[in-house]
Amino acid sequence: DAGITQSPRHKVTETGTPVTLRCHQTENHRYMYWYRQDPGHGLRLIHYSYGVKDTDKGEVSDGYSVSRSKTEDFLLTLESATSSQTSVYFCAISADRGRGMNTEAFFGQGTRLTVV
Amino acid sequence: KQEVTQIPAALSVPEGENLVLNCSFTDSAIYNLQWFRQDPGKGLTSLLLIQSSQREQTSGRLNASLDKSSGRSTLYIAASQPGDSATYLCAVRWSFGNEKLTFGTGTRLTIIP
Repeated sequence: DAGITQSPRHKVTETGTPVTLRCHQTENHRYMYWYRQDPGHGLRLIHYSYGVKDTDKGEVSDGYSVSRSKTEDFLLTLESATSSQTSVYFCAISADRGRGMNTEAFFGQGTRLTVV
Repeated sequence: KQEVTQIPAALSVPEGENLVLNCSFTDSAIYNLQWFRQDPGKGLTSLLLIQSSQREQTSGRLNASLDKSSGRSTLYIAASQPGDSATYLCAVRWSFGNEKLTFGTGTRLTIIP
């Protein structure tokens, strides 16, 4: 298994509170991603990072922010949690192997977040 | 819009049968396509990655094919086993330098003992 650890694995929080999810990798891969998975929508990209301090938005980035101060850590923050952010959040990593080379993505085990 | 579709959403087959899962994508100019399996309550496990220049990839009882001209990929599972029961997802990376994956909504496979 790829060395990806997500924490916490489960969290219940109240509407309006800030929440931070952590993704830690031991693979020294350049790219890190946060996805959310919801019934009927599949997996959707929230934000991704292509290096330390280099991040970009995905398709569902509203209400989320990210930070990457070290290669191994990628944090996802919900500034003020809402019930619509109840979901399962997955972190993923992939290497930068250059044009024509494999860029296989590996996923963490997920964080189940419930906003009440 | 670049989209990925997996039909059917659910499939049940008796143990021992060979089966094919389908993945369709709207833009034939893809960079690569990756197949995953997901067990209930778990993360995604990478099964096969197939580059745009390849026609197929094999791993054990699994074989993934890619036909860019028709916008299709198939995942063939030989001699199915109850342990193959899971949701299978395909994901497309559309271009080099675009590291984002677009996922299909998956096919939930049940192997009946």
